[in-house]
Amino acid sequence: NAGVTQTPKFRVLKTGQSMTLLCAQDMNHEYMYWYRQDPGMGLRLIHYSVGEGTTAKGEVPDGYNVSRLKKQNFLLGLESAAPSQTSVYFCASSQSTDTQYFGPGTRLTVL
Amino acid sequence: RKEVEQDPGPFNVPEGATVAFNCTYSNSASQSFFWYRQDCRKEPKLLMSVYSSGNEDGRFTAQLNRASQYISLLIRDSKLSDSATYLCVVTGEWDMRFGAGTRLTVKP
Repeated sequence: NAGVTQTPKFRVLKTGQSMTLLCAQDMNHEYMYWYRQDPGMGLRLIHYSVGEGTTAKGEVPDGYNVSRLKKQNFLLGLESAAPSQTSVYFCASSQSTDTQYFGPGTRLTVL
Repeated sequence: RKEVEQDPGPFNVPEGATVAFNCTYSNSASQSFFWYRQDCRKEPKLLMSVYSSGNEDGRFTAQLNRASQYISLLIRDSKLSDSATYLCVVTGEWDMRFGAGTRLTVKP
């Protein structure tokens, strides 16, 4: 099993550009999550999904959109990137609200 | 006030030392508690769950005090490989809230 994978690993964007981050899990987990991690802030939840076709806002959802069209995939979109979105993005999945398994992260820089 | 607060450290200790990390949380309705470990530029990984009665996993001991809303992690006989950032994690109704982490460096 690959566990949780994320693409891309690194990306540099210019302000105003858009992009989509892809998260995939092969553990048949119901729950999936997108976090961002900034120095001194800890991980903060952006959006999450409790099952295929469902999404919900987390702690810091503004400027991001998500979709969960297939159970194994959770996409995070930035429609118009801003420098404040420079961060490391982690995807995670879990079977319940218990232990989460994280992907390797995507390092995004917005210039 | 942050929902989950940790001393950021860094803690610099020699091999073989015992080190303890503390964490406080603000939501009294929190249900589950964990310690995660995060190596530099890597993803967080579960170290251990924290149970009300306290629990031990080898050199690691976790304690929970619900009345004081306080969690601790004790590492005995520190190894070089224990160097990492330790994240305190508290779950609510549907989500996990992470502390900013405590950085540990174990030196020879």
